[in-house]
Amino acid sequence: SQTIHQWPATLVQPVGSPLSLECTVEGTSNPNLYWYRQAAGRGLQLLFYSVGIGQISSEVPQNLSASRPQDRQFILSSKKLLLSDSGFYLCAWGGTVYGYTFGSGTRLTVV
Amino acid sequence: AQSVTQLGSHVSVSEGALVLLRCNYSSSVPPYLFWYVQYPNQGLQLLLKYTSAATLVKGINGFEAEFKKSETSFHLTKPSAHMSDAAEYFCAVSEANTGGFKTIFGAGTRLFVKA
Repeated sequence: SQTIHQWPATLVQPVGSPLSLECTVEGTSNPNLYWYRQAAGRGLQLLFYSVGIGQISSEVPQNLSASRPQDRQFILSSKKLLLSDSGFYLCAWGGTVYGYTFGSGTRLTVV
Repeated sequence: AQSVTQLGSHVSVSEGALVLLRCNYSSSVPPYLFWYVQYPNQGLQLLLKYTSAATLVKGINGFEAEFKKSETSFHLTKPSAHMSDAAEYFCAVSEANTGGFKTIFGAGTRLFVKA
């Protein structure tokens, strides 16, 4: 069966520090992968999606970047965090037609 | 362009009562529709999906939703609420556009279940 792993579960980082969140998928090959952010009390905002290794599409220009170095690995990064980067970050795989499988999320607090 | 509106950011029901969470969408083409559930500090879990087959869709945990094209609605229901149903629920719509398929999520409805 397919599973998706996301870590860490929680993270507290100072403003200006770098960020690296990792997501890996098991049990499937060549998955479409997504990074979403969920701000407190708000819906989900699509940040990046990837249809293959090295292929990244950005939905919203911002202080974040994404990379896909391996087929089942998706990384979200920042060189310098801002207070506004705080939120709940969710990795997902799947399709817009059949639905998503989400990871358990990373709660990022920038202080 | 598609959009999703969830009516009511908070809904409170008594245990054993009917659950009704409302979702209206706009789409210029036949959409794919979804409901997800999110428990505190967890990711979203797919409850059910409509992909142009039967208009009444049954999902997990006793939930179901009915696609009504004339009303552009996809409301989520459960005949009898359980305490474990307390969570946040998100409606989502996907449609094809020039860049492929795109999914839009509603703002979410938090369901409270009273004992």
